[in-house]
Amino acid sequence: EVQLVESGGGLVQPGGSLRLSCAASGFTFSSYWMNWVRQAPGKGLEWVGKIKQDGSEKYYVESVKGRFTISRDNAKNSLYVQMNSLSAEDTAVYYCARGGVTRYKGPDYWGQGTLVTVSS
Amino acid sequence: QSALTQPPSASGSPGQSVTISCTGTSSDVGAYTYVSWYQYHPGKAPKLMIYEVSERPSGVPDRFSGSKSGNTASLTVSGLQAEDEADYYCSSYAGGNTLVFGGGTKLTVL
Repeated sequence: EVQLVESGGGLVQPGGSLRLSCAASGFTFSSYWMNWVRQAPGKGLEWVGKIKQDGSEKYYVESVKGRFTISRDNAKNSLYVQMNSLSAEDTAVYYCARGGVTRYKGPDYWGQGTLVTVSS
Repeated sequence: QSALTQPPSASGSPGQSVTISCTGTSSDVGAYTYVSWYQYHPGKAPKLMIYEVSERPSGVPDRFSGSKSGNTASLTVSGLQAEDEADYYCSSYAGGNTLVFGGGTKLTVL
């Protein structure tokens, strides 16, 4: 059974940093693109970014470029996102979601999410 | 990239059919067959219902179907059941290795 479990969310001050983690199990982690997707309160889903199987390619939504960095450790079956210079607009539930074997496929399995609140 | 356009709400009575639209552009929905639909219950993980426009993952009832015409994709739920009440989101590959979601549609079973 595919499982994705996010952790690391919490309350952070504006301008601060936070690192989210996602532990994957039930599939060959190193064979899939992986995504981060977020949902701000009362808003829809927003794709944040994705990383290739070997970590050699990373892509982001414009609003987080230069502030967020996605990484992965295939030996630990783990996905990460380092979030810097956080603002209130980054307040959201962050989901880890498995992509496809190819770069084109959308997410199929999702975690339950972890809440990030940016507030003073 | 701009979000795909979905109606904020849709509704139907048990047993009826309802269709939710997802309108994009010739750079996303119109350009690729990588349109997906997700069912979302608040507090739970989104669930993939349709991928690649019209493909159903195993375990998803065949009451759910997807289609696309031009820049608009559609999700049809036939034989509505109370358990189908949820938020539904579409997504599409948008070129340049990016993904775009719709704004979501709240489906109410009357």
